[in-house]
Amino acid sequence: NAGVMQNPRHLVRRRGQEARLRCSPMKGHSHVYWYRQLPEEGLKFMVYLQKENIIDESGMPKERFSAEFPKEGPSILRIQQVVRGDSAAYFCASSPRTGEQYFGPGTRLTVT
Amino acid sequence: KQEVTQIPAALSVPEGENLVLNCSFTDSAIYNLQWFRQDPGKGLTSLLLIQSSQREQTSGRLNASLDKSSGRSTLYIAASQPGDSATYLCAVSEDWTGANSKLTFGKGITLSVRP
Repeated sequence: NAGVMQNPRHLVRRRGQEARLRCSPMKGHSHVYWYRQLPEEGLKFMVYLQKENIIDESGMPKERFSAEFPKEGPSILRIQQVVRGDSAAYFCASSPRTGEQYFGPGTRLTVT
Repeated sequence: KQEVTQIPAALSVPEGENLVLNCSFTDSAIYNLQWFRQDPGKGLTSLLLIQSSQREQTSGRLNASLDKSSGRSTLYIAASQPGDSATYLCAVSEDWTGANSKLTFGKGITLSVRP
């Protein structure tokens, strides 16, 4: 059973461009969480999704950020018009119904 | 609002020492607590998960305990090795699903084990 997969592992964008981060959960997991790790800060929750539904987006910035988890395919975290402050490591985690979360390797976004 | 604290932020010990990493949380109404390991520039590896009804979990040289009423957990590492050098993160959730299932993390303890 493959683990949580994220791609790309590293992403460089210029200010104003769009960033798309993908997450494929573990097989059989229908819960996906996105977290962000800013330099020198801890991991912060962003959004929690189940298939085709956003359950909790209380940690998402109000503008420029969106997430989806379609019926088919990976979960996508989309950041429009990136700014330097968006540079961070973005981690995806998936969970079965037991509540234990399994993390992917992360996508390191650098905005130049 | 749940807050998780891990003190100290960094720890350096000689190889072979037994050590304890502490984690405290402000709201005792948790569903589970997870300890993770993070190597520099890497993702998170789950070490141990303790359900709220459990007191401790063990895996190899690692033992994690949970005292929900006092809002504390400890991760015990026996006979530390240089390969244990990493950042150790503690995280809690307040439910298994729904809005309270998100993890709230501490900032981590960066452990260095000297040969």
